[in-house]
Formats: sequence, C-alpha cells, structure tokens
Amino acid sequence: DSGVTQTPKHLITATGQRVTLRCSPRSGDLSVYWYQQSLDQGLQFLIQYYNGEERAKGNILERFSAQQFPDLHSELNLSSLELGDSALYFCASSVRGTSGSTDTQYFGPGTRLTVL
Amino acid sequence: AQKVTQAQTEISVVEKEDVTLDCVYETRDTTYYLFWYKQPPSGELVFLIRRNSFDEQNEISGRYSWNFQKSTSSFNFTITASQVVDSAVYFCALSESYGGSQGNLIFGKGTKLSVKP
Repeated sequence: DSGVTQTPKHLITATGQRVTLRCSPRSGDLSVYWYQQSLDQGLQFLIQYYNGEERAKGNILERFSAQQFPDLHSELNLSSLELGDSALYFCASSVRGTSGSTDTQYFGPGTRLTVL
Repeated sequence: AQKVTQAQTEISVVEKEDVTLDCVYETRDTTYYLFWYKQPPSGELVFLIRRNSFDEQNEISGRYSWNFQKSTSSFNFTITASQVVDSAVYFCALSESYGGSQGNLIFGKGTKLSVKP
C-alpha cells in the first residue's frame, strides 16, 4: 500500500458527461500528480500541483481541469467526456516536486474510467 | 527531447530463469533520475527503484538488480530466479530536474513479463 488513496475505483459514464476523480496524497507529501494510462498513449503526465498551486502541465486536454485543496487532496475534473477518454487515471504524490528536486512519486491504485 | 525506450514489448520465461528488461533513455539534462515501476495484473503502480544520474553504482535488492550505464544511456533491470509473482508490466521512467519535464515522469511503453510455472 503506497499510502495514496483514490476514489472511486471504477467509474462508468456516458459521452458528454462530467466526472470528478479524487486523490488523497501520502501523509506529509505536498505534491500531487495526475497521469493517464491508455492502451494507445501509454502512461502520460497530465498535471501537477504543489501545495495548492499548479506547478506543471503536461498533455492535459482543455476539457480536463484539476485543483488541490488546502488539506492537500486533489480532484481531477473531466468534462464533455468522449469515448477516447476511457482510461486508467492515476494520482501520485511526492514530498516536494519543485524545480531542482525529483522525489520519488508514489502512485495510488487508480480510477478506471469507462465512457460508453 | 526526453524519451524512454523499452524495446521489449513482451517477454515470457519459465520459473527460475533469469530475465533482463532493457531501458534506454534520452535527455539533455545532466541531472536526472531514473525509475522502475511494476504494474501487476491488479493494476496499481508499484515503485521499485530510483537512481540519480551521478550514481552509476549497480544496485541489488534480493532477486532484483539494476545496471545503470551512462555511456550507453541504459538502465537495465534483471530479475534472478524469476517467480510467477514477478509476472507484471514493468515500466522504466525518466525525470529531469531542470529540463522540460521538471520532475514529472516520462514513461517507456512498458515490458510485459510472463513467468510460467
């Protein structure tokens, strides 16, 4: 058990809908990262938050957004869902995550999103 | 540009065989980190090892060992006396301290290892 929790474990929804994925980092970790794992794209970095502020953006669609709350948990919001958004979404956390530091990222169990 | 290549898509071995998973990376940063993660059939990503670019010492942890060679930009992973529980997809990842990825992980496509009894 990495100490990172994600809910829900599975999510089935329809095209055009909006969903929210939730992540709680390990105790003491300030950074939260979101990754998407799909069959065609593999594991791709989406976005990072550090202590409540957006730190870095990767291949995140404009329909997707995220935030990190004062208690450091994070939510990833996916809207206007398309079939191609079906994937496994991972959250990871690390102690720091600022430029110049590369701490180990510990991953949660993932949320499997199925868009029908 | 940063890139991680795992040329072996799938490997199948019989229990107790040794197996090496290859990883080749590309980066312009002089300070970077390399990682291996394991994804068993249950789906979670399990951290195995983290290595920085200044430490080329090989590492051994039980049946696992890692060979880091900067000269060939490789960070290979060997499992000795493989077991059925080693069956999983293994990912190699790169993180740059100051480069484009800024600490985020760039993953290879993964190598699926199947260990048969």
